[in-house]
Amino acid sequence: EPEVTQTPSHQVTQMGQEVILRCVPISNHLYFYWYRQILGQKVEFLVSFYNNEISEKSEIFDDQFSVERPDGSNFTLKIRSTKLEDSAMYFCASSEGHNQPQHFGDGTRLSIL
Amino acid sequence: QQQVKQSPQSLIVQKGGISIINCAYENTAFDYFPWYQQFPGKGPALLIAIRPDVSEKKEGRFTISFNKSAKQFSLHIMDSQPGDSATYFCAAGMDYGGSQGNLIFGKGTKLSVKP
Repeated sequence: EPEVTQTPSHQVTQMGQEVILRCVPISNHLYFYWYRQILGQKVEFLVSFYNNEISEKSEIFDDQFSVERPDGSNFTLKIRSTKLEDSAMYFCASSEGHNQPQHFGDGTRLSIL
Repeated sequence: QQQVKQSPQSLIVQKGGISIINCAYENTAFDYFPWYQQFPGKGPALLIAIRPDVSEKKEGRFTISFNKSAKQFSLHIMDSQPGDSATYFCAAGMDYGGSQGNLIFGKGTKLSVKP
């Protein structure tokens, strides 16, 4: 069964550094999402992406965050200047269509020191 | 208004018993209600989903019951097994109103099924 893959599985970064989290969505999917989950808390929406542009973003997704689909397969989340509170699991998801089932990757654990 | 309230926070059930997890929402624009199962170290995996045009959907041992007037929906796991031990999240999404399908998640229920 096709799946969403995320790399790396764990990223440790010094505060203030830039980090890029990578995702390969399911190949025929058109909608892409980033969510985050702070340890022990609920999954929170960050941003959705369709047709090479951001469709919607939450208030968490401030100017420090950006997303990109640099080629036909990858979808990336960049955090420009990381803060301690950015430590979380970051999940990428993709879906075939708008409000179609979203399939999640296994996440990247981001630890900011 | 965008919240989805989930209860209980944790649940212990004996093997073979029925696990019931409840969720409630406020925003009547929500029209898609999935349940996700998450094992430690893994991403949420879609379990079952329902839209408001039906009151119940069953897939194997998993059933969603939906009450549109009460703005509540619940997950029932029949014949619960130790392998069902995981965290379960309800979520809500909408087709219209500018939201491009982002999901609002409940806080999760940690289910433990005792052998």
